[in-house]
Amino acid sequence: QKEVEQNSGPLSVPEGAIASLNCTYSDRGSQSFFWYRQYSGKSPELIMFIYSNGDKEDGRFTAQLNKASQYVSLLIRDSQPSDSATYLCAVSGYSTLTFGKGTMLLVSP
Amino acid sequence: SAVISQKPSRDICQRGTSLTIQCQVDSQVTMMFWYRQQPGQSLTLIATANQGSEATYESGFVIDKFPISRPNLTFSTLTVSNMSPEDSSIYLCGMGGSGNTIYFGEGSWLTVV
Repeated sequence: QKEVEQNSGPLSVPEGAIASLNCTYSDRGSQSFFWYRQYSGKSPELIMFIYSNGDKEDGRFTAQLNKASQYVSLLIRDSQPSDSATYLCAVSGYSTLTFGKGTMLLVSP
Repeated sequence: SAVISQKPSRDICQRGTSLTIQCQVDSQVTMMFWYRQQPGQSLTLIATANQGSEATYESGFVIDKFPISRPNLTFSTLTVSNMSPEDSSIYLCGMGGSGNTIYFGEGSWLTVV
């Protein structure tokens, strides 16, 4: 049974701070790792993916992957109130994605 | 990027009835996915639908309850049969992209009363 674990939160950060969201996974054979953002009442939106160990940056977002520790994280720099949402971590083996339950992020003005 | 449209976007259904959700993509895709997100929960894969073959269902989901059609590379339907309140959920159609990415439609919010 593949498992993806996330702290449910909420994670509260002030505007302008760095938000750090974490995820661990159980299947060592996992190959691809994704972060989705889901606003309340909306469907999930893909914001980042990473395949190799290390960091991947895209604007204010940085995904970090450590396969040895089975750990993936998402950093959001200069957090804005509009970043307030639930962030879902997803992990893929060959074709389908297994999702965590998500971490709620609250960015206060 | 591709546009994924789902219908209905929201519905309230009577217990014991069935509802078919439609998913239309504006480009041809090989793999389409149907996920369910129950209140307060994460996404759970119901089945993978490839054109020209039977859908592949995940453990806990059966074809009699969730029949799926995939008549061409741009369209799929999911039927939720003989609904009960436990089927109240968001049903999400996903399109497979490169590198195992999945892009979701707007979702169908179903409430069973």
